[in-house]
Amino acid sequence: GAGVSQTPSNKVTEKGKYVELRCDPISGHTALYWYRQSLGQGPEFLIYFQGTGAADDSGLPNDRFFAVRPEGSVSTLKIQRTERGDSAVYLCASSRGGAYNEQFFGPGTRLTVL
Amino acid sequence: QQPVQSPQAVILREGEDAVINCSSSKALYSVHWYRQKHGEAPVFLMILLKGGEQKGHEKISASFNEKKQQSSLYLTASQLSYSGTYFCGTETQGGSEKLVFGKGTKLTVNP
Repeated sequence: GAGVSQTPSNKVTEKGKYVELRCDPISGHTALYWYRQSLGQGPEFLIYFQGTGAADDSGLPNDRFFAVRPEGSVSTLKIQRTERGDSAVYLCASSRGGAYNEQFFGPGTRLTVL
Repeated sequence: QQPVQSPQAVILREGEDAVINCSSSKALYSVHWYRQKHGEAPVFLMILLKGGEQKGHEKISASFNEKKQQSSLYLTASQLSYSGTYFCGTETQGGSEKLVFGKGTKLTVNP
């Protein structure tokens, strides 16, 4: 079946601009996660959704970052007033939830802020 | 707090074995292992739960020492396809679903 998809695959923007990153999870997966990965580092947790609600947003770095999942499926990560330090690969993952909640990752969106 | 992985990098010849360790300063509920090839998404390998249950890849094994707050991933008879960066992700609270990943261990398998 189809895996997790993310669009766009690459996004180049200028400092101060607004960007939206989209994630389409695996059909039927109730849990959705956003991570950020910088070069040479492991994925860094940003936010986790169970259904439509954000169950844990403790990883969002500041109030410029916001994510939604209005219908419990597709999610959008929104970054306002982008800064050069926001440049990274943004990964989305989904899972069925529960004890064996293996997370299936999407290919990521590479964000470059000039 | 971020788990510590060791070694940072390892180079093997095909057929050799390797062990990758993951250590946490906090009590763990579960440990997840992923492999990531350059430019690709992380791929699930294994989950180990507090209490001894585990689920994962057929050819890869792992251990979870709750007392020592450590997990180890065992790669035996390595194949070229095992090359990549291995990450452990730790969950400190059952049901939290939040994984904190280590910095990774880069494994290179040469012919």
